[in-house]
Amino acid sequence: EDQVTQSPEALRLQEGESSSLNCSYTVSGLRGLFWYRQDPGKGPEFLFTLYSAGEEKEKERLKATLTKKESFLHITAPKPEDSATYLCAVQAGDYKLSFGAGTTVTVRA
Amino acid sequence: KAGVTQTPRYLIKTRGQQVTLSCSPISGHRSVSWYQQTPGQGLQFLFEYFSETQRNKGNFPGRFSGRQFSNSRSEMNVSTLELGDSALYLCASSFGDRGYGYTFGSGTRLTVV
Repeated sequence: EDQVTQSPEALRLQEGESSSLNCSYTVSGLRGLFWYRQDPGKGPEFLFTLYSAGEEKEKERLKATLTKKESFLHITAPKPEDSATYLCAVQAGDYKLSFGAGTTVTVRA
Repeated sequence: KAGVTQTPRYLIKTRGQQVTLSCSPISGHRSVSWYQQTPGQGLQFLFEYFSETQRNKGNFPGRFSGRQFSNSRSEMNVSTLELGDSALYLCASSFGDRGYGYTFGSGTRLTVV
């Protein structure tokens, strides 16, 4: 069974304090690894898809990287509006997404 | 471009009743998936439909069912509601091919009393 573990569970940052979120996974035949952002009371918002080890993608202050066993979401110089829960999900041989529990990021001004 | 639309946004039902939730995917998307999100269990996969056929199913009891129509709109039904069914139900749509990301709707917040 596919397993996705995210750490830490919660992260409190000062504005401008860069940090990284971890997503480790066990999956048979990775088709894609996805990062989503979720604000309270809303559905997850798509951020990135990574397909193979060594791949990197960037969007504003966020950068996602992928190895054979884990993915990192780096947040550079975060702002209060980056506060959210960040979810990692993997897609394997079937079509469903298996999600981690998420990392809740709080950025203080 | 319209996103994924879920209706209703909020719903309060009594234990033992049944409920139907609706999802309209992004135009051109053929796959619709449903997820249940609770604070304790996180996001859990319910089922996926592609071109009106259920393609995948999660580990939920038979009280949870769904269907997809020819226009790709989907409904999910929960019969004999239990208190533990209170959750945010999310619908996501995709082109349907492996490796493509899913776009989520805002969800339906179901409260069972």
